[in-house]
Amino acid sequence: QKEVEQNSGPLSVPEGAIASLNCTYSDRGSQSFFWYRQYSGKSPELIMFIYSNGDKEDGRFTAQLNKASQYVSLLIRDSQPSDSATYLCAVNLRGSASKIIFGSGTRLSIRP
Amino acid sequence: EAGVAQSPRYKIIEKRQSVAFWCNPISGHATLYWYQQILGQGPKLLIQFQNNGVVDDSQLPKDRFSAERLKGVDSTLKIQPAKLEDSAVYLCASREYTGSYGYTFGSGTRLTVV
Repeated sequence: QKEVEQNSGPLSVPEGAIASLNCTYSDRGSQSFFWYRQYSGKSPELIMFIYSNGDKEDGRFTAQLNKASQYVSLLIRDSQPSDSATYLCAVNLRGSASKIIFGSGTRLSIRP
Repeated sequence: EAGVAQSPRYKIIEKRQSVAFWCNPISGHATLYWYQQILGQGPKLLIQFQNNGVVDDSQLPKDRFSAERLKGVDSTLKIQPAKLEDSAVYLCASREYTGSYGYTFGSGTRLTVV
């Protein structure tokens, strides 16, 4: 079982709609969770992080965490063509190394 | 605040040659990471430094890869000899300390082994 799993997509969403990206993780002791956006040919850029169960909102982005189900999601409201990118879910594993493990990413395409 | 600096941006080498990448983290960031990102995959951690000490190198192919972080600041990652499957983007990231929020990535070095 992969430590962080995402649907690779592509996920196609019409402009103005809500894009929903999902991620599951295997380490029940994980404590912090991140969403990175990566445009083609560019390095990943942190857009959201969440620590507590529930929702965290930042502008058009909402991160949702359910630790009991080991599930993290990212909602993008009013999707724009500029949101077209690969979205990487990342989990900070417990332990002294405190390293961040990435999923393989979901490719999102916003169609005009 | 200056970002994470990496060089070179691109490198093309023949298999069995050697190559080195350089990274300078954000000033004051104690933790430095090297990741390998193969096309279509997520970044895979190769090695983590805390100051100038190695914290985790469990995923580093030590028969061909080596890394150092002298004086706890900049770092180099070396591959010798390179294989075709080493073709990837090598990303350097830093964070202020292990409990801080996420990473800041450099622009990466795209390596092509032919």
